[in-house]
Amino acid sequence: KTQVEQSPQSLVVRQGENCVLQCNYSVTPDNHLRWFKQDTGKGLVSLTVLVDQKDKTSNGRYSATLDKDAKHSTLHITATLLDDTATYICVVGDRGSALGRLHFGAGTQLIVIP
Amino acid sequence: EAAVTQSPRNKVTVTGGNVTLSCRQTNSHNYMYWYRQDTGHGLRLIHYSYGAGNLQIGDVPDGYKATRTTQEDFFLLLELASPSQTSLYFCASSDAWGENYAEQFFGPGTRLTVL
Repeated sequence: KTQVEQSPQSLVVRQGENCVLQCNYSVTPDNHLRWFKQDTGKGLVSLTVLVDQKDKTSNGRYSATLDKDAKHSTLHITATLLDDTATYICVVGDRGSALGRLHFGAGTQLIVIP
Repeated sequence: EAAVTQSPRNKVTVTGGNVTLSCRQTNSHNYMYWYRQDTGHGLRLIHYSYGAGNLQIGDVPDGYKATRTTQEDFFLLLELASPSQTSLYFCASSDAWGENYAEQFFGPGTRLTVL
């Protein structure tokens, strides 16, 4: 059973618009949650990691929230750019070290059009 | 400088063929991982290693072998490739611990097609 569900599967926005990506999970324990950006034909690059019961992070135009009670996270992208076109992947770690396992979502494909 | 490199970037083989995918990391990390990525699925762990000579089985190991020859080098072997192994393969490395929750650093991927 898929333990990390992302929505929407794909999203098209115009350059300059804001967008919100969702991640719901059932992983237990949920030590931390990380958002990755995957450009087409490239590897995954970490955008941010959330760790607290109710957490918020900000990294430039990217901001994220985590609510461990609801097992839910959001990734907000503000004033999208063409270079934001990518797949965004939500990953939940069940421990804070390499002794744990990572649980990957299937990703949201974001397309930014002029 | 790219810290995790993979070769080849693209590979086409036939059913029953023998394929080796290579990964090298210059992060001085102990842990290295092989994943496969398929449409509609999250990345799935094939094998991983916590040091030279060590190998641990992941979640989808059937049909795959792996070998960690040095701290830097991790290889994935498909000895009798099947069309179901057509996929995008990623290698990653991480510290065991570290401040950033053992963040994994990914290579650029190898696209394998088995005809």
